[in-house]
Amino acid sequence: AQKITQTQPGMFVQEKEAVTLDCTYDTSDQSYGLFWYKQPSSGEMIFLIYQGSYDEQNATEGRYSLNFQKARKSANLVISASQLGDSAMYFCAMREGVKTGGFKTIFGAGTRLFVKA
Amino acid sequence: GAVVSQHPSRVICKSGTSVKIECRSLDFQATTMFWYRQFPKQSLMLMATSNEGSKATYEQGVEKDKFLINHASLTLSTLTVTSAHPEDSSFYICSVRTVVGVYTEAFFGQGTRLTVV
Repeated sequence: AQKITQTQPGMFVQEKEAVTLDCTYDTSDQSYGLFWYKQPSSGEMIFLIYQGSYDEQNATEGRYSLNFQKARKSANLVISASQLGDSAMYFCAMREGVKTGGFKTIFGAGTRLFVKA
Repeated sequence: GAVVSQHPSRVICKSGTSVKIECRSLDFQATTMFWYRQFPKQSLMLMATSNEGSKATYEQGVEKDKFLINHASLTLSTLTVTSAHPEDSSFYICSVRTVVGVYTEAFFGQGTRLTVV
């Protein structure tokens, strides 16, 4: 069975500093994808970054990077140079069979990030 | 711009009435759409997978007669909450998947906040 674990219900970070949001996962599949989404107070889900299970390099998208450690089954999100607008809920998610477009996405419980001025 | 449009964004209805939520894919045809439910301060829980031209696939524990899903075209899926009760009050959000490069990415609607009084 799939399982996504986010152990940090809330995190504080000072503006302009970097922050790491933890995510561990559990799957028996060899092919899967890991995603991070941002959900501001408005409720919309914003895609941030993707890491494929076969990708050898860690994914990066602007200020977002994913620290993928396959053996440890962790996919932590690193946000560099935090901005006040980064304050939001962040969800880690996983989907098996990602290249074939099938299967459902499982979400973690989320981490609420607060950026302090 | 928005890839997926969800309407309405907020709705308040009386107990016992039915509410229809629309999810439109704006930029591409979507044979499959997904409906999620999110309680306050909780994660997204997949309710059902909506398949164009066929019956929806419901997750365990989701009442298909209460949450009617219709996916009549490649760009529109609707979720109807029938005989709504206060416990149905929640945030409902749809998503559409499409291939981006070598992986499938989920685009989410803006969500619908349902309040049953």
